[in-house]
Amino acid sequence: SAVISQKPSRDICQRGTSLTIQCQVDSQVTMMFWYRQQPGQSLTLIATANQGSEATYESGFVIDKFPISRPNLTFSTLTVSNMSPEDSSIYLCSAQGEDQPQHFGDGTRLSIL
Amino acid sequence: AQRVTQPEKLLSVFKGAPVELKCNYSYSGSPELFWYVQYSRQRLQLLLRHISRESIKGFTADLNKGETSFHLKKPFAQEEDSAMYYCALIQGAQKLVFGQGTRLTINP
Repeated sequence: SAVISQKPSRDICQRGTSLTIQCQVDSQVTMMFWYRQQPGQSLTLIATANQGSEATYESGFVIDKFPISRPNLTFSTLTVSNMSPEDSSIYLCSAQGEDQPQHFGDGTRLSIL
Repeated sequence: AQRVTQPEKLLSVFKGAPVELKCNYSYSGSPELFWYVQYSRQRLQLLLRHISRESIKGFTADLNKGETSFHLKKPFAQEEDSAMYYCALIQGAQKLVFGQGTRLTINP
């Protein structure tokens, strides 16, 4: 299965700033996704990162707040913009190859002061 | 809308006892279901998927379409099974919908 590396693993940020999270996969994959896990909650899909085109966002998530890039088949970034304390969460990247289940990165634990 | 329900947030059993983690789903089509597990300080990892019909670490899960369930079972719990378990289903375009998770604790 694909090995997924995420960085940073954690960060503490000031409100109003933005942070970009990187996700690197060690092999070409067809699908990449970004999830959020708020404290004490389950995982919620933010968006599907589409290679070479705009991401597909789920209800409640918008591009201005969570811009996503996927320039190639092995790399994606998620930016959390204009952060507020409500954005304190774990952000996870996942990847899926052809006829394969999704595998996850270690996540990025984000705290906003 | 597709939904996955794990009714137990916490489950505690003794070592050697049988374990059953419940999962119910609502889905209009033909579902594809998974169990993911997260051990302490480790990443979320796939435990098993219903189409594989295999046993991983002694765990099995059978899809029951009549009861819309996909319960995870193990006949004899081990201490290393203590973890957070998530049931999930695939909806359109390979998007995973997760249940709320069950924290399983195996007591010695």
